[in-house]
Amino acid sequence: AQKITQTQPGMFVQEKEAVTLDCTYDTSDPSYGLFWYKQPSSGEMIFLIYQGSYDQQNATEGRYSLNFQKARKSANLVISASQLGDSAMYFCAMREGGNNDMRFGAGTRLTVKP
Amino acid sequence: KAGVTQTPRYLIKTRGQQVTLSCSPISGHRSVSWYQQTPGQGLQFLFEYFSETQRNKGNFPGRFSGRQFSNSRSEMNVSTLELGDSALYLCASSLAGGGSYEQYFGPGTRLTVT
Repeated sequence: AQKITQTQPGMFVQEKEAVTLDCTYDTSDPSYGLFWYKQPSSGEMIFLIYQGSYDQQNATEGRYSLNFQKARKSANLVISASQLGDSAMYFCAMREGGNNDMRFGAGTRLTVKP
Repeated sequence: KAGVTQTPRYLIKTRGQQVTLSCSPISGHRSVSWYQQTPGQGLQFLFEYFSETQRNKGNFPGRFSGRQFSNSRSEMNVSTLELGDSALYLCASSLAGGGSYEQYFGPGTRLTVT
């Protein structure tokens, strides 16, 4: 069974600094995808970044990068140069290759301080 | 391109009633997934539809059902509502299911059961 763990219920970061949000996962399927989503207070889930289990390089999307350590089964999200608008809940999620249900972690609430 | 739309955005029902929620995916997307989000249980997968067929179902009672139409629009129905069904119901669409296909979420329907 899939399992996603986000151990940081809340994180604070100073504006313009970088922050790392932790995510570990558990699966026996060699083919899987890892996703990060942002959920502002409005409720909508916003897709940020994707990492495939066979990808050789860490994914990057603008200020977002994914620190993928396959042997440790971790997929941490790094946000560089934090902005006030980055304050939100962040969810790590995983979907196994042949499966269509995405499993989510409990989320991390990030607060960016001015 | 229009995003995922969900109607209604807010709904108040009483125990024992039934409710139908609607989701229109992004044009060209054939996979629609439904999730329930509550403060206690987090984000939980309900079911996924592809080409009018339910491919995956989460661990929810039979009171939760859904369907998908030929234009990929999807509805979910909850019968005999219980207080615990109060939640944010999110719909997500993707080109296809599984693998690397990221899901794009709608704004959600916030259901309150009294």
